[in-house]
Amino acid sequence: GENVEQHPSTLSVQEGDSAVIKCTYSDSASNYFPWYKQELGKGPQLIIDIRSNVGEKKDQRIAVTLNKTAKHFSLHITETQPEDSAVYFCAIRGTGGFKTIFGAGTRLFVKA
Amino acid sequence: SAVISQKPSRDICQRGTSLTIQCQVDSQVTMMFWYRQQPGQSLTLIATANQGSEATYESGFVIDKFPISRPNLTFSTLTVSNMSPEDSSIYLCSVDGQVGADTQYFGPGTRLTVL
Repeated sequence: GENVEQHPSTLSVQEGDSAVIKCTYSDSASNYFPWYKQELGKGPQLIIDIRSNVGEKKDQRIAVTLNKTAKHFSLHITETQPEDSAVYFCAIRGTGGFKTIFGAGTRLFVKA
Repeated sequence: SAVISQKPSRDICQRGTSLTIQCQVDSQVTMMFWYRQQPGQSLTLIATANQGSEATYESGFVIDKFPISRPNLTFSTLTVSNMSPEDSSIYLCSVDGQVGADTQYFGPGTRLTVL
C-alpha cells in the first residue's frame, strides 16, 4: 500500500538559515504532493503543493522539489523566521484514489 | 480555498458518554473527511463522508464507534461514542477544494479530552 516517510522528525535552525525537509514514497501512482504547516492548536494549513508533471515550484520563501524517478520530494524554506516554527507534514495522493497519506511530521524550531 | 468551521473547538468529557462534532463548510463540496490526530502524532483518516451515502470507514474504525452524518453538501457530523481516555485526540474535518479535486483543506480541529 501507499507509504510516505518523512525526515527529520525534528529540525532546529537559526533565524535566517534554510530548512529542508525530505519525504520518500513507495507508490509510483502518486501524482499529487502537498505540504501542510500546523501551528499549535490549529488545523493543518496547505502551504504549497506540486503535481507529478512538475519538478519544482516556488512561492516566495518556500519551494518544493519533486524527483519522481527516485520517489522523493522536499520542502525548502529559505531565510527562516521565528513564525516558521511549526510542525510540517508532507503528503501524497494517487490517481483514482481519494485518500491522502501523511508523513509523520517534522517539528521545526527557528531560533531567533 | 474552502473555509471550514468546527464545533466545539474543545471539550472535556466523562468516559462512557458520547460527543458529536459538527463541521460546516462555506461552499458545497463533494468529499468530506474526518481525521484523528493523537498528541504529537500524524493524521489518521477515520472515514470519508459523501452526501447521500453511508460513510466509508478505514481499517480500525467502525460505524458503531464513530457514526457520521452528511445531510447536505456543506455539513457533516462525527460522533465519538462510548468514549474512553484512549479517544482523547484532536478530531479534524477536511474537504476537497473547489480548484482541483486533489487539493484538501482542514478545519481548526476539535480537541477532545476524556477523563
